[in-house]
Amino acid sequence: AQKVTQAQTEISVVEKEDVTLDCVYETRDTTYYLFWYKQPPSGELVFLIRRNSFDEQNEISGRYSWNFQKSTSSFNFTITASQVVDSAVYFCALSGESGGSNYKLTFGKGTLLTVNP
Amino acid sequence: KAGVTQTPRYLIKTRGQQVTLSCSPISGHRSVSWYQQTPGQGLQFLFEYFSETQRNKGNFPGRFSGRQFSNSRSEMNVSTLELGDSALYLCASSSQLGATGELFFGEGSRLTVL
Repeated sequence: AQKVTQAQTEISVVEKEDVTLDCVYETRDTTYYLFWYKQPPSGELVFLIRRNSFDEQNEISGRYSWNFQKSTSSFNFTITASQVVDSAVYFCALSGESGGSNYKLTFGKGTLLTVNP
Repeated sequence: KAGVTQTPRYLIKTRGQQVTLSCSPISGHRSVSWYQQTPGQGLQFLFEYFSETQRNKGNFPGRFSGRQFSNSRSEMNVSTLELGDSALYLCASSSQLGATGELFFGEGSRLTVL
């Protein structure tokens, strides 16, 4: 069975601070995919990044960066110089390649990030 | 390019009633998946439809059902509503079967059961 753990339920920071959202996953699949989604108050889940299990290179996109470490089964997300518009719930998710895990996303419980001005 | 459209956005029902939710995927996408989001259980997979056929189903009772039309629009139905069915129901569309690629989500239908 697959599992995603986001230990941080809520994080509150002041604008311009850097913040890291943690994600730890469990899977028996050799090939798997990790995702981060953002859920603003409007409700929709907005795709941020997809990473497959064979690509451990860190990725940076503007103020966002992701650190994937297979050795610790972690896929952490850092926002540099946070802004009020970054306030949202962030979800880490996992899907696998096997027949029992490739058809759905397994989500963590989410981390509510509040960025205060 | 229009995004995923879900209707209605909000609805209130009473126990025992049934409800139908609608999802129009991104043009050209043939896969539609449904997820239920509750404060207690989080986001859980309901089912996926691809080319008018249910391909996968999550661990939900038979009261939850769905269908997909030839234009890829999908509906989900919940019969004999229970209080615990109160949730945000999210629809996601994709160009491929399964969840290994990017899913595009709608804003959801928020169902309240009284």
